Parts: sequence; structure tokens; C-alpha cells
Amino acid sequence: GQQLNQSPQSMFIQEGEDVSMNCTSSSIFNTWLWYKQEPGEGPVLLIALYKAGELTSNGRLTAQFGITRKDSFLNISASIPSDVGIYFCAGPPEAQKLVFGQGTRLTINP
Amino acid sequence: NAGVTQTPKFQVLKTGQSMTLQCAQDMNHNSMYWYRQDPGMGLRLIYYSASEGTTDKGEVPNGYNVSRLNKREFSLRLESAAPSQTSVYFCASSGTTGHYGYTFGSGTRLTVV
Repeated sequence: GQQLNQSPQSMFIQEGEDVSMNCTSSSIFNTWLWYKQEPGEGPVLLIALYKAGELTSNGRLTAQFGITRKDSFLNISASIPSDVGIYFCAGPPEAQKLVFGQGTRLTINP
Repeated sequence: NAGVTQTPKFQVLKTGQSMTLQCAQDMNHNSMYWYRQDPGMGLRLIYYSASEGTTDKGEVPNGYNVSRLNKREFSLRLESAAPSQTSVYFCASSGTTGHYGYTFGSGTRLTVV
């Protein structure tokens, strides 16, 4: 089935550092999304991208829709403790079917 | 402002037992989904319901059945549980076709022994 390859799988950083993660697909997507999951909860939508080349920010988070339409990137600037969690990329290979990457687990040392 | 409510939050089953996971949303959303989450594999779609009265298979439907009872409720049934179905199950809903800002429930952690 459709797979999204997300990297890195885990990150261990110091508070205040910037974070970058990316996601690649074997096929073209018309939409890219980034979700965050905190322990014991379901994923929550952070950013949605609908156009190739689009760059969208949500506070300290910035995501980009790759121009090839097969990749997307998420950056977090000046990380803080509440950024801890698992970040997922997602995209719809077809209508009504959202597939997710394997996730990037972010750990922050204060 | 409950959003998506899943019950139970935790469950332990013996191999071969059956159970139904319940999901209800109060946002008047048309579409509902069931995903399972396993370590290192992200979330995988089990079944979805694009609208009341319709259901379709996702990526990993084997061993599961679903019922879209009404617009609010979408249940997932394991007829004969297997250890491979040990996972965290998430229900989600979406209000608009083509909009993928799903609202997720907080999950059901299922262990099959």
C-alpha cells in the first residue's frame, strides 16, 4: 500500500534548538498535512498544505509543500518543552483515505 | 465540546473473544474513520464511512467489521480477537469531503493475550 517515509524517526535536542523533519511519498499528493500527538491522546492537526511550493506557518512551526509534490518539510524554531511529542506527516493518496508517516518522536532536554 | 468520544479507553481480551469499540462525534461530521497505531508504523486506516449508510475498507480491514449506526456513531467490531490485533485504536471524523483536518478521539488501548 501507499507509504510515506518520514525522517528522522526520533530526535533528542536541547531546549531552544531548531528542529527539521521531512516526509517523502512514492506518489504525488495534492495535500500534505502535519499532525502532532501527545502521550495518551489522538493526533491534532498542526498545518495543512494545499499547493505545491506553499510555505505555511503556525507560530514557531513552518511547513512546506515540496515542489515535486512528493515531499513535505516541517520546521520548529526555538523549541520549548511543550513541543515534545510525535509528529506525523499525512497525505491522501485518494479521496477519503489519509495515510500517515511512521512519525518523528521529539524529545527535548531542558 | 466533547468532539470525538471513544469507549473503552483500555481493554484486555483473550484470544478468540469478541468486542466492539464505540465511537461517537458531536460535530455533525459526515465522515468517520477507524485507524490502528502500532510502534514504528504510524496510523493505518482500517475502515471508513464517507457518509451515513456507507462503509469502505481501508488499508488493514482483515479481522474487523464496522457499523455506521447513525451520523454520530461508528463502531468497530473484532469478532475473534488475535494477538496481532493488540494495538491502539483511534476513531476520527471529518466534516467536509476533501478536508483532511480530522478530529481524533483519545484512543482505545487494546491488548489481546
